[in-house]
Amino acid sequence: AQSVTQPDIHITVSEGASLELRCNYSYGATPYLFWYVQSPGQGLQLLLKYFSGDTLVQGIKGFEAEFKRSQSSFNLRKPSVHWSDAAEYFCAVAIIQGAQKLVFGQGTRLTINP
Amino acid sequence: DTGVSQDPRHKITKRGQNVTFRCDPISEHNRLYWYRQTLGQGPEFLTYFQNEAQLEKSRLLSDRFSAERPKGSFSTLEIQRTEQGDSAMYLCASSFPNEKLFFGSGTQLSVL
Repeated sequence: AQSVTQPDIHITVSEGASLELRCNYSYGATPYLFWYVQSPGQGLQLLLKYFSGDTLVQGIKGFEAEFKRSQSSFNLRKPSVHWSDAAEYFCAVAIIQGAQKLVFGQGTRLTINP
Repeated sequence: DTGVSQDPRHKITKRGQNVTFRCDPISEHNRLYWYRQTLGQGPEFLTYFQNEAQLEKSRLLSDRFSAERPKGSFSTLEIQRTEQGDSAMYLCASSFPNEKLFFGSGTQLSVL
């Protein structure tokens, strides 16, 4: 069965520091991968997605993610975090193209120290 | 506001009562999805519609749950005989086919 694992439940980084959030997936076919961000009281917002092609994907708010098939990973990175990046981050895999059915990881809560 | 709207934002009910949530998708979107998110977990797929047709339902959607989208526009999710385990955030999303999902802010259900 398809699954997504986010090994880190909570991460704290200092403002201006670099960030990497880990995501591992289990899926038999070519995965369609996503990163979403959820702030308190807000809906989920898509940061970036990978369907095919270049394995390094650029997203909004300065985020990027790299698809590594050999490691079944799709880690999210940002070179320098801002206090406004504090939120919950979810990695997801789509069962079929079109994101009709997303399987989410349990999320990583990001705290930013001033 | 042209985003996905959900009503109410919060609902507190007693066990055994019925509740109904409403979702208004982005008007041009023909696909509408319901997800459920419990505390500390990622959202879980419940069901989705293309226009007024309900195309798939998760096994998570027990017989006490029913969703409708009568005219292919707004959708309702009803839970009958609520149980404490139903307490969760219920998220609605909409999209064009094969396009990204836009999520609403959700309805937080608390069953006492």
